[in-house]
Amino acid sequence: DSGVTQTPKHLITATGQRVTLRCSPRSGDLSVYWYQQSLDQGLQFLIQYYNGEERAKGNILERFSAQQFPDLHSELNLSSLELGDSALYFCASSERDRNYGYTFGSGTRLTVV
Amino acid sequence: GDSVTQMEGPVTLSEEAFLTINCTYTATGYPSLFWYVQYPGEGLQLLLKATKADDKGSNKGFEATYRKETTSFHLEKGSVQVSDSAVYFCALSDQRGSQGNLIFGKGTKLSVKP
Repeated sequence: DSGVTQTPKHLITATGQRVTLRCSPRSGDLSVYWYQQSLDQGLQFLIQYYNGEERAKGNILERFSAQQFPDLHSELNLSSLELGDSALYFCASSERDRNYGYTFGSGTRLTVV
Repeated sequence: GDSVTQMEGPVTLSEEAFLTINCTYTATGYPSLFWYVQYPGEGLQLLLKATKADDKGSNKGFEATYRKETTSFHLEKGSVQVSDSAVYFCALSDQRGSQGNLIFGKGTKLSVKP
């Protein structure tokens, strides 16, 4: 157990729908990062939050959004889902210092049918 | 922009063989470098890291040295085990991000046969 908790582990939904993925960071970590892992694109950085504020944005689609709550858990919202959004979505957390590396959760596997 | 290039897999080795997985990078400034490992059905785990030139990261028998002159961070292990079968990712910290977003290579799948 890495200390980063992601729910649900698996999600199957239809095109056009909206889903919410949840992440609880490791105790004491203030930064949360979201990544998408697909076979063709590899691991793509989506977005980062630090202590409730958005800090960096990567290749995140406009249909996707995220937020980090006062208790530091984070949610990634995916809307108007397309088949191509099927992927593993990972959350990671870290302390302030970027050089220490991340702790990853076990991921949410999203299948859009 | 910054990028990481890993040798393409899959790599298949016999138990106790020597492992090298090549990783080169392109970056402005002085990034930190990482190796992550992903076992089947699991998230990524930090394997080792190096934060400046000539640093050697090591963990569980794996080693990698930060070579600025060749912009490389090759992963090595002297004697692999079946339990080392996994996907290995090389990564660097994105200096543009305020907290260090990681840029990953595409991963190299390692299979170790008994």
